[in-house]
Amino acid sequence: AQSVTQPDIHITVSEGASLELRCNYSYGATPYLFWYVQSPGQGLQLLLKYFSGDTLVQGIKGFEAEFKRSQSSFNLRKPSVHWSDAAEYFCAVGVAGAGSYQLTFGKGTKLSVIP
Amino acid sequence: GAVVSQHPSWVICKSGTSVKIECRSLDFQATTMFWYRQFPKQSLMLMATSNEGSKATYEQGVEKDKFLINHASLTLSTLTVTSAHPEDSSFYICSADREGMGAEAFFGQGTRLTVV
Repeated sequence: AQSVTQPDIHITVSEGASLELRCNYSYGATPYLFWYVQSPGQGLQLLLKYFSGDTLVQGIKGFEAEFKRSQSSFNLRKPSVHWSDAAEYFCAVGVAGAGSYQLTFGKGTKLSVIP
Repeated sequence: GAVVSQHPSWVICKSGTSVKIECRSLDFQATTMFWYRQFPKQSLMLMATSNEGSKATYEQGVEKDKFLINHASLTLSTLTVTSAHPEDSSFYICSADREGMGAEAFFGQGTRLTVV
């Protein structure tokens, strides 16, 4: 079965600093990989996704992620964090099923931004 | 972008009563919808996969008689928490797959259920 590990439970960065959130996955084949962001009491918003092709994926809000097969990683990065980026971030792996696919989420990383 | 709407956003109910949560895809048809449960400061745990016109597929450990799922149309799936107890208090989130969108799931805004 697939699994996702987000090693950092909580990260605090200063506004304007760079950010990297770590994500490692376990899956036997090439997975679909996703990063979602969740604000308190809200649903999830997709930041970016990787299916195939270029391993560096650009997303919304200035985020990017790089798929590294050799490290089974899909780390999320942003060069300059804004205060509005404070939220919970979830990495997920999608596995195709019959007619659809299922998402397995990591435990999430809470991002706090210091003004 | 595609929109998935959940209703209600939050609900408080008495122990022993039943609560129905709706998940609607507003601008697309969803053959498959998913129901997740999220405990405070935890990740989303898949409860069940809801397929239009057929029985839902429940994950191991999820009581199908307690969490009734109905997917009667291509735009609506419902989750009914029957005989709710305080331990059922949680944040419930649905998602829907939109065909042709590269296997992207669209999430509802979630429903906060509190059982008192």
